[in-house]
Amino acid sequence: QAGLTQPPSVSMGLRQTATLTCTGNSNNVGYQGAAWLQHHQGHPPKLISYRNNNRPSGISERFSASRSGSTASLTITGLQPEDEADYYCSAWDRSLLDLLFGGGTKLTVL
Amino acid sequence: QVQLQESGPGLVKPSQTLSLTCTVSGGSINSGAYYWTWIRQHPGKGLEWIGYIYYSGITYYNPSLKSRIVMSIDTSKNQFSLNLNSVTAADTAVYYCARAIYDDGLDVWGQGTTVTVSS
Repeated sequence: QAGLTQPPSVSMGLRQTATLTCTGNSNNVGYQGAAWLQHHQGHPPKLISYRNNNRPSGISERFSASRSGSTASLTITGLQPEDEADYYCSAWDRSLLDLLFGGGTKLTVL
Repeated sequence: QVQLQESGPGLVKPSQTLSLTCTVSGGSINSGAYYWTWIRQHPGKGLEWIGYIYYSGITYYNPSLKSRIVMSIDTSKNQFSLNLNSVTAADTAVYYCARAIYDDGLDVWGQGTTVTVSS
């Protein structure tokens, strides 16, 4: 099962902006976009964005998502220490009906 | 507010069946809006989709696990379950149940339960 591609790690400074990417194909990310999950170890993942740039209630406006072709992006502005976490993208594949995950990006806030 | 909670043994012997149940509270599992999903995370690894079940009982499984999985749903108890057969040490992971909205995301998660496969 082919998954989505994410860079393993990103490091940015406090109060800076981080952009995480997630690449799929026309049947998944390119079709309906991606959702993004924030995962602090020891806790369940938390949905922070879905269908490109819809934020669930309670999610900070510092998190924004977009898509260009088959690549989705999550941008986090004004980085805070609590943003340090693993971030996963997910997307449904319309041809396989599978739910795909990216391998995750570990965000380090310096 | 909908909450999910996994339950089941934390230790399973090799070659046996891993059985987990997810109990949904604060809302009905009998809704056509959601797909009730199992995900796992191996130690130090990323998230892996196991499969999902619809309220009608229709299931979709990860092809890499399909031959060993059976999912079921009990709408009277507001629960859905995962059975994973013939487990090995490679099935040791944190198992999560979650609620999925098709074409959107996994918006509600259980706390996760650690399952270790060992004799």
